[in-house]
Amino acid sequence: GDSVTQMEGPVTLSEEAFLTINCTYTATGYPSLFWYVQYPGEGLQLLLKATKADDKGSNKGFEATYRKETTSFHLEKGSVQVSDSAVYFCALSGHTGKLIFGQGTTLQVKP
Amino acid sequence: DTEVTQTPKHLVMGMTNKKSLKCEQHMGHRAMYWYKQKAKKPPELMFVYSYEKLSINESVPSRFSPECPNSSLLNLHLHALQPEDSALYLCASSQETGQYNEQFFGPGTRLTVL
Repeated sequence: GDSVTQMEGPVTLSEEAFLTINCTYTATGYPSLFWYVQYPGEGLQLLLKATKADDKGSNKGFEATYRKETTSFHLEKGSVQVSDSAVYFCALSGHTGKLIFGQGTTLQVKP
Repeated sequence: DTEVTQTPKHLVMGMTNKKSLKCEQHMGHRAMYWYKQKAKKPPELMFVYSYEKLSINESVPSRFSPECPNSSLLNLHLHALQPEDSALYLCASSQETGQYNEQFFGPGTRLTVL
């Protein structure tokens, strides 16, 4: 079945550091890919998405590129802020239409 | 309006109580979802409604009973819950079901079962 694998956390960075959170997937066909962010005590917010190979999703300084050849959708940000501290979920939606989530990666940014 | 709202924000109930969670969206979305999220875990799908009809039930125990009174509202009726049902319950909506439709989540109801 479809699945998503994320790098294990927690990830701890200093403010203004470069962020990469790895995400790889297994799916039948060509799924849509998403990054969601969950701040403490809140629901999930859609951060960015990509629906076909080589698409780049971007939002609030975050970027991710749909790489079909490596079945990856890594999340990057050039300079993180303390306010970016949250849990980040990579997810796919395939032929079933269900959202399949990775396990989540906790990011902590220190001043 | 691009918001999904949920009430109440917090709920504490005993194992013999009956309570309901409510979810509302005014984005004209025709698909609505209930998820359960335990601490430090991803959300788990419970139910999917498409055009006000239940389309997916992920083998959820009958003590959870969903209801979709109209295209903007989604309820989750709770009865005879167990302490292990304590979790964050998230509602989501999307334009329609299907892989190209991103889901928008509400803030959740944090449920504690005593």
